[in-house]
Amino acid sequence: DAGITQSPRHKVTETGTPVTLRCHQTENHRYMYWYRQDPGHGLRLIHYSYGVKDTDKGEVSDGYSVSRSKTEDFLLTLESATSSQTSVYFCAISERGTDSYGYTFGSGTRLTVV
Amino acid sequence: GQQLNQSPQSMFIQEGEDVSMNCTSSSIFNTWLWYKQEPGEGPVLLIALYKAGELTSNGRLTAQFGITRKDSFLNISASIPSDVGIYFCARPTSGTYKYIFGTGTRLKVLA
Repeated sequence: DAGITQSPRHKVTETGTPVTLRCHQTENHRYMYWYRQDPGHGLRLIHYSYGVKDTDKGEVSDGYSVSRSKTEDFLLTLESATSSQTSVYFCAISERGTDSYGYTFGSGTRLTVV
Repeated sequence: GQQLNQSPQSMFIQEGEDVSMNCTSSSIFNTWLWYKQEPGEGPVLLIALYKAGELTSNGRLTAQFGITRKDSFLNISASIPSDVGIYFCARPTSGTYKYIFGTGTRLKVLA
């Protein structure tokens, strides 16, 4: 299995606090992605990265920022958490973007904002 | 916008029954992927399709790339309890490195 780990696996935080989720890969893949999963919406892309320091927005990027200072790490930050950001967050990696056999996903981070 | 419509949203079936689900897009693309997500885990790739009309199997799972290139189908034969999960279709977005995902079909198998 591809080496991809997300941390933490679960987190409860208060409204207004900043939160950072981490995705770590050992596959040296170029592309990394952050999705959120909500009932009725499936998986929606928040941000993605196509190389170190190269990132771009997805369809639901408001309220989120990302950073990728090393190939292996992709961080997702909620600047000021809101209840609408309660969700399950998945990181994914890909060797060649869409010109490959899809993504490999992490196991997810369940975030609750109270 | 770019959307993938999956149906049905959920299914409750008896063990041993066959299952069919589908995914439609408003645009034409050259790739369809099918993923399965088990409870508490991330989605795992089941089948990838790259050509209109292509039919590909993975054990009891069979997926087809529709002739119109706007849809895809996933069939599961003789379902078993471990087939429980959410099944997602996905396709690439034009000219980018990204896939978009359908809303998922939640499958429950009753023993």
